[in-house]
Amino acid sequence: EPEVTQTPSHQVTQMGQEVILRCVPISNHLYFYWYRQILGQKVEFLVSFYNNEISEKSEIFDDQFSVERPDGSNFTLKIRSTKLEDSAMYFCASSEAMGGGEKLFFGSGTQLSVL
Amino acid sequence: GENVEQHPSTLSVQEGDSAVIKCTYSDSASNYFPWYKQELGKRPQLIIDIRSNVGEKKDQRIAVTLNKTAKHFSLHITETQPEDSAVYFCAASENSGYSTLTFGKGTMLLVSP
Repeated sequence: EPEVTQTPSHQVTQMGQEVILRCVPISNHLYFYWYRQILGQKVEFLVSFYNNEISEKSEIFDDQFSVERPDGSNFTLKIRSTKLEDSAMYFCASSEAMGGGEKLFFGSGTQLSVL
Repeated sequence: GENVEQHPSTLSVQEGDSAVIKCTYSDSASNYFPWYKQELGKRPQLIIDIRSNVGEKKDQRIAVTLNKTAKHFSLHITETQPEDSAVYFCAASENSGYSTLTFGKGTMLLVSP
């Protein structure tokens, strides 16, 4: 069964540094997402992406964050000048179509620890 | 925006018992309600979903019920097994446009042999 893959599985960084989280969505999917989960809290929507542009973003996704599809397979989340409160599990997801009625397939996540 | 509340946060049952996890949502426009299971260290996986034109859906030992009037939906697992132990997340969204999923906080289900 096709899977969304994410690398790295764990990322440790110093506060103020930039990190790039990488994802390879399922190959025939057209819509891509980033969610995050702070330990013990809800899974929260960050951003959705389609046709090389952001479709929707939450209030969490401020200027510190950016997404990119640098080639035909990768989808990245960049976090500039990381803060302690950015520590969380970041999940990438993809779906065949957009909209809440479409099934999202999640990657296994990147655990980001900001020290 | 949508707000999804999920209860309980932890649930311990004996193998063979039933487990029920409940969620409420706030946005009456929401009409798609998936449930995800996340085993320790693994990705969230969709186990069942329901759309607002249906009141109940069943897949083997798993069922989901939806009450749109009361804005709540529930996951029912019968004949629980130790491998059902995981964190379960409910979610809600509008079935249109660019609507995204809003998740509940999760329920850790522990099934003891």
